[in-house]
Amino acid sequence: DAMVIQNPRYQVTQFGKPVTLSCSQTLNHNVMYWYQQKSSQAPKLLFHYYDKDFNNEADTPDNFQSRRPNTSFCFLDIRSPGLGDAAMYLCATSTTGRVWTNTEAFFGQGTRLTVV
Amino acid sequence: KQEVTQIPAALSVPEGENLVLNCSFTDSAIYNLQWFRQDPGKGLTSLLLIQSSQREQTSGRLNASLDKSSGRSTLYIAASQPGDSATYLCAVTTNAGKSTFGDGTTLTVKP
Repeated sequence: DAMVIQNPRYQVTQFGKPVTLSCSQTLNHNVMYWYQQKSSQAPKLLFHYYDKDFNNEADTPDNFQSRRPNTSFCFLDIRSPGLGDAAMYLCATSTTGRVWTNTEAFFGQGTRLTVV
Repeated sequence: KQEVTQIPAALSVPEGENLVLNCSFTDSAIYNLQWFRQDPGKGLTSLLLIQSSQREQTSGRLNASLDKSSGRSTLYIAASQPGDSATYLCAVTTNAGKSTFGDGTTLTVKP
């Protein structure tokens, strides 16, 4: 049973056309992450929510935004996708207090974004 | 800044062999280290989580070790099978829940 669900699995968008990727979780985890993974590269953290607190990585482009309306859902908005934004986007969750000792991350199946 | 390196980038072995994948990290102040498996075009599946206070974790044919002082972890796969073919990634978690991933080792197990 999928616990972290990403929709859609594949998304094709036009250059410059806003697109939203969706992630939902049934684990009731307080932390949700968005990663970008390009071919044969390590996943790169874009941002994460600790409960409702948004934590943006310093090198995440302004073109990328996120919303977390409730515990279960988190969205990745790309305001004006460029060709370089084509990648696999991975959502992950974890549950933790302020000490991250035994944080285990659970990932969704990813959304592969193509920009045409 | 934490850097995570996985060597080799690719590995091919015949079925039945035991093998070791390596992960090294530069900042030993970690909270935990997690090994993942990624099949082509798919998300990440968690294999093993080692907390900073632990030395190893085992799950079936998999054994992961952690040596914080030397900044190293290994993933040992016993009696490899073609179904083990995938990319294996390690990730270390440091402050504020930030995880840094290695680029992965792509394993091919030949029948």
